[in-house]
Amino acid sequence: GQQVMQIPQYQHVQEGEDFTTYCNSSTTLSNIQWYKQRPGGHPVFLIQLVKSGEVKKQKRLTFQFGEAKKNSSLHITATQTTDVGTYFCAGGGGGGNKLTFGTGTQLKVEL
Amino acid sequence: SAVISQKPSRDICQRGTSLTIQCQVDSQVTMMFWYRQQPGQSLTLIATANQGSEATYESGFVIDKFPISRPNLTFSTLTVSNMSPEDSSIYLCSVEAGGAEAFFGQGTRLTVV
Repeated sequence: GQQVMQIPQYQHVQEGEDFTTYCNSSTTLSNIQWYKQRPGGHPVFLIQLVKSGEVKKQKRLTFQFGEAKKNSSLHITATQTTDVGTYFCAGGGGGGNKLTFGTGTQLKVEL
Repeated sequence: SAVISQKPSRDICQRGTSLTIQCQVDSQVTMMFWYRQQPGQSLTLIATANQGSEATYESGFVIDKFPISRPNLTFSTLTVSNMSPEDSSIYLCSVEAGGAEAFFGQGTRLTVV
């Protein structure tokens, strides 16, 4: 079945440093979504990418979808303590509107 | 968007018992999804629940262990049956509303002792 891996698993940064998480799927995706889960919370939708090579920005966050639609990345510029949480990518294309969630990257930001 | 009310938010249960988790959505949705998230792990899809038909289970999950009801377009339940400590996890319901983004309930944190 479809597998979606993320690296790194954990990342500790100093506030103000940049952060990137990478997402790789074993199969071609129809779309990729990104979610953020704060400690003790539930996943919250950030963005969806659909087109090959697509790049979208939300303030300090930049999302990319690979040309082959099998990988994606999320880059955060100048991290803040409010960025703390686990970031999941989720791939569509598994059939029936199902999402396959990536393994997640836990981000910790230190002052 | 969609607002999802999930309950209970947490429970501690004895092994061998069953727990039913409820998920209420503030709008009608075709598909509802049930996920399990073990501590520090990703989300694993248990099943997809459509109104008026039996739920579709993912590999590794069976109806006898996780029966699901979907009586109408705004409500669903997931039962965790004959629980063991390995069932300790967070259970999340999810829906898509309009667009492709998924909305999640607050989750049910289950501990089996």
